[in-house]
Formats: sequence, structure tokens, C-alpha cells
Amino acid sequence: DIVMTQTPLSSPVTLGQPASISCRSSQSLVHSDGNTYLSWLQQRPGQPPRLLIYKISNRFSGVPDRFSGSGAGTDFTLKISRVEAEDVGVYYCMQATQFPSWTFGQGTKVEIK
Amino acid sequence: QVQLVQSGSELKKPGASVKVSCKASGYTFTSYAMNWVRQAPGQGLEWMGWINTNTGNPTYAQGFTGRFVFSLDTSVSTAYLQISSLKAEDTAVYYCARTYYDSSGYYFIDYWGQGTLVTVSS
Repeated sequence: DIVMTQTPLSSPVTLGQPASISCRSSQSLVHSDGNTYLSWLQQRPGQPPRLLIYKISNRFSGVPDRFSGSGAGTDFTLKISRVEAEDVGVYYCMQATQFPSWTFGQGTKVEIK
Repeated sequence: QVQLVQSGSELKKPGASVKVSCKASGYTFTSYAMNWVRQAPGQGLEWMGWINTNTGNPTYAQGFTGRFVFSLDTSVSTAYLQISSLKAEDTAVYYCARTYYDSSGYYFIDYWGQGTLVTVSS
């Protein structure tokens, strides 16, 4: 299975300041069809996961533009340009390149300082 | 709007079975696969597999074969997860989540159900 490793595991951030989460895969996420199946999810406390970013850098419907994704191959990043109180939660990267072994990162907890 | 509504929490004894439902609305049910994802208490997310809602063909991730069964009732746009011979370590929140395919064939999980807590305890 492809192992997804996120850093940091915890990110205390001041309101209005940026936050960045890294996700590294144990092998390239470039599929044989040429696409890279990498998404980012947000899970607020007590809530189900919510899709933020798909295909590395595409914001899902309704996601604020302070969220952005980037990367290629095995290294990916989620950035929050200015953290707001509602951004508190756990963020997961997820790969859907290797079927049937889709995997998630272990999660990064974003909290307010 | 797309909605996935799951059945309520379950408390089961070890050795029993449980069936979790996931009712879809707001889209054509048979056009998109349905995934199941497990989240143990305080832990991360684990993809269990998916079911092709057009053919009914399930695919299970490693570790989720044997006691786990995905099924459908397309007449009511509902997917099911059945777990048999329950163990304490099956205690978790189980989510259904849709796989969306865009016009180019790219796919990703987009919408999630609210989750169903299954507690296994004697």
C-alpha cells in the first residue's frame, strides 16, 4: 500500500496567520492514465470529513479561496492563507491512485494558539 | 443537493451482526460508486472499499474481506454495510462517501454521510 505521511501532526496557528501542511507519499501518485489522484479533506470536531481540494489543486464547491493545494509526484501541500476560527479541525490528504488500496494520511490537527 | 443520510448508532454484543444503511438523494444513485470508510475512536480514516452502484460489484480493501459485505437496494437509492461476527475492535464510526467522476474520467470522493457509530461491547 502507498503510505501517506503528513507533517506536522499538530499545527497551532494564530488567527489571521497562514498555515501549511505537507503530505508525502511513499511512491509516486501519478496514475498510468497520467492523472494524480490526491485530495485534501477537513474534519471539524464532531463532524464527518468534508472535501476541500481534489486533483492536487482544485477547490471543491463552496470551499473558500484561502485554501489552496499544490505539489506533484510524491510531495503535496495544503495551505491556508489566513486561518479563521472555523478552520479548526483535522486535515487529511488522501490518495486514490492505487486501487483497491486508497489511503489517507494520519491527519494534521489545526488549532488556534 | 447531494445528500447521504446514514442510519443511527448501534450497540451490539460481540459475535452479533450489524447492517448500516446509507440513503442517497439529489443525484442518480447508479451513476456513482459508493465507498465505505472506517474511523476508530480518536483515530484517522481507513478506506474499506467501494461498491459499483451500476453493477452491484463490490471491491474490498485488504483487511475488510470475509466479515464485511457491501450491498445495494437501487429501488430506494440505498447502500448497505453489513458486518458479521462483530468484535470489540470493530467499534468505530462508519461513513459512506460517494465517488464522483468528472467529464474527463477523473474521480474523487466528494460527498460524505454523517457517519454511523457502531459500538461492540458485552
